[in-house]
Amino acid sequence: GAVVSQHPSRVICKSGTSVKIECRSLDFQATTMFWYRQFPKQSLMLMATSNEGSKATYEQGVEKDKFLINHASLTLSTLTVTSAHPEDSSFYICSARELAGIQETQYFGPGTRLLVL
Amino acid sequence: GESVGLHLPTLSVQEGDNSIINCAYSNSASDYFIWYKQESGKGPQFIIDIRSNMDKRQGQRVTVLLNKTVKHLSLQIAATQPGDSAVYFCAEIRGYQKVTFGTGTKLQVIP
Repeated sequence: GAVVSQHPSRVICKSGTSVKIECRSLDFQATTMFWYRQFPKQSLMLMATSNEGSKATYEQGVEKDKFLINHASLTLSTLTVTSAHPEDSSFYICSARELAGIQETQYFGPGTRLLVL
Repeated sequence: GESVGLHLPTLSVQEGDNSIINCAYSNSASDYFIWYKQESGKGPQFIIDIRSNMDKRQGQRVTVLLNKTVKHLSLQIAATQPGDSAVYFCAEIRGYQKVTFGTGTKLQVIP
């Protein structure tokens, strides 16, 4: 199946700093990628939809100036958590949409665990 | 909005037995459904999907059943193995893009 990677897998940062997380589709082109966050023992919550070459679409309640998304190419989307605070500590997961004919599937990255001190 | 932080429902199954994980969905306009498996500290892994015009689909050791009348989805795992221990999420997809996840069920396989 298709492979999606994320980097870094784990990051610890000080409060007030910015953190960039990369999401790459390794063997397919993804015009659309999605960013989720997941708190312990909870389900994945969609944060935003990242479209190549255009602005991201954010879900209600997600601050677009706080979580900057850039989908610069068909294989790369980045999420930057600006001025991170301890409450931003979470597991961030991206997914990429693969469209093969009429079959469409989303594949998920391994996740990035962010800890803000 | 954000879901409340509840403990995940847990299903404990003896190794070798069959497991059935259930999911209720709300939107009758969903185009298709996916089951994902998530191991601790990892991203979700695709297991199997089913389109809204189907009621059953089988994979390797897994079967998904869709009952649109009662908006219910189930995942059956045959001969459950310790490696099947994980959290399982059902997800509904509308417009072939937006994925909405269920709350998840933790499967615990007892050796």
